[in-house]
Amino acid sequence: EPEVTQTPSHQVTQMGQEVILRCVPISNHLYFYWYRQILGQKVEFLVSFYNNEISEKSEIFDDQFSVERPDGSNFTLKIRSTKLEDSAMYFCASSRLDRANTEAFFGQGTRLTVV
Amino acid sequence: RKEVEQDPGPFNVPEGATVAFNCTYSNSASQSFFWYRQDCRKEPKLLMSVYSSGNEDGRFTAQLNRASQYISLLIRDSKLSDSATYLCVVFGGYQKVTFGIGTKLQVIP
Repeated sequence: EPEVTQTPSHQVTQMGQEVILRCVPISNHLYFYWYRQILGQKVEFLVSFYNNEISEKSEIFDDQFSVERPDGSNFTLKIRSTKLEDSAMYFCASSRLDRANTEAFFGQGTRLTVV
Repeated sequence: RKEVEQDPGPFNVPEGATVAFNCTYSNSASQSFFWYRQDCRKEPKLLMSVYSSGNEDGRFTAQLNRASQYISLLIRDSKLSDSATYLCVVFGGYQKVTFGIGTKLQVIP
């Protein structure tokens, strides 16, 4: 069964450092998403991506965040200068989003710890 | 009013019980609705889509009421393995996806 894969599963970084979280969406999916979940809190939408550009982003997705699809298979989230409050589980998701298939499938997440 | 509202629970129910969760949404233009299940420290996993006509999958039944802007999930004959957090997810448009905070279910032996 096709699945969304994310690497690494756990990343520890020092405050102020840049991190790149990687995702390989399901191959025939067209829409890609990043979400985050701070421990004990709800899943929060960060950004959606379609046709090689950002479709929508939340207020959380400020200038320190960026996304890229560098090679047609990977979908990355970069955090330029990490803060302590960026510590969270980051989930990548993808969907086909046509009339019959709108559900999103999630990767297993990357736990980011900023120290 | 929050975009997607759920009772966070926890709902503690005995094995074999029937339990129901509701979720309300504020955007009447919302297009698609889903229930996801999330186990502790794991990724959300799709449980089922929600249609106006109702959707049943084994012990699980989901229903959408567009007029009242709520969706529901009914779990019959609860199992210990049903213990998890159930997330209501609303697609308000092609890129607008909103999660509820989740309802925690604990099934007790």
